[in-house]
Amino acid sequence: AQSVTQPDIHITVSEGASLELRCNYSYGATPYLFWYVQSPGQGLQLLLKYFSGDTLVQGIKGFEAEFKRSQSSFNLRKPSVHWSDAAEYFCAVGASGTASKLTFGTGTRLQVTL
Amino acid sequence: GAGVSQSPRYKVAKRGQDVALRCDPISGHVSLFWYQQALGQGPEFLTYFQNEAQLDKSGLPSDRFFAERPEGSVSTLKIQRTQQEDSAVYLCASSSTWGRLGGYEQYFGPGTRLTVT
Repeated sequence: AQSVTQPDIHITVSEGASLELRCNYSYGATPYLFWYVQSPGQGLQLLLKYFSGDTLVQGIKGFEAEFKRSQSSFNLRKPSVHWSDAAEYFCAVGASGTASKLTFGTGTRLQVTL
Repeated sequence: GAGVSQSPRYKVAKRGQDVALRCDPISGHVSLFWYQQALGQGPEFLTYFQNEAQLDKSGLPSDRFFAERPEGSVSTLKIQRTQQEDSAVYLCASSSTWGRLGGYEQYFGPGTRLTVT
């Protein structure tokens, strides 16, 4: 069964500082990996995705993530955080090669201090 | 406005009442998913449709939950005899499913927040 672990429940960073949110997954084959962001009272917005190819993927809002098969990780990074990045971030895994259900982590809440 | 829409956005039900939640997917999207998000948790899969066919309903928590998509477009999630533990945000997502190298990303609606009192 597929699973996702986001070990950090809550992270606080200063505006302008760099950010890394951790995500570890468990899946039997090459997974499809996603990062979503959720602002209060909103649905989930897709930040970026990994299907195959380059292991460093670029997303919207200046985010990037690196797929590391050996570590079963897909960490999200941003070089300089903006106050508007404060939100809940979810990592998700899906079966490759097909539309399928996503399994989400429990999320990391990002707080940005000015 | 080509995104996924859901209605109502908020629903308060008394325990024992039946509720119906609606999802309008992105036009042309073949796949439709329902998820349940409890407070402070990540979304959890409920059920999946490809066109009008319900291919996976393994996540439905009980037989009180029922979903349909009769014409392969709009979907309705129905909960009968609501219980307090059904209180959650119900998210709908759609996907185009166009090819081996991509297209499987799911686009989410804003959700329906259900409160059972």
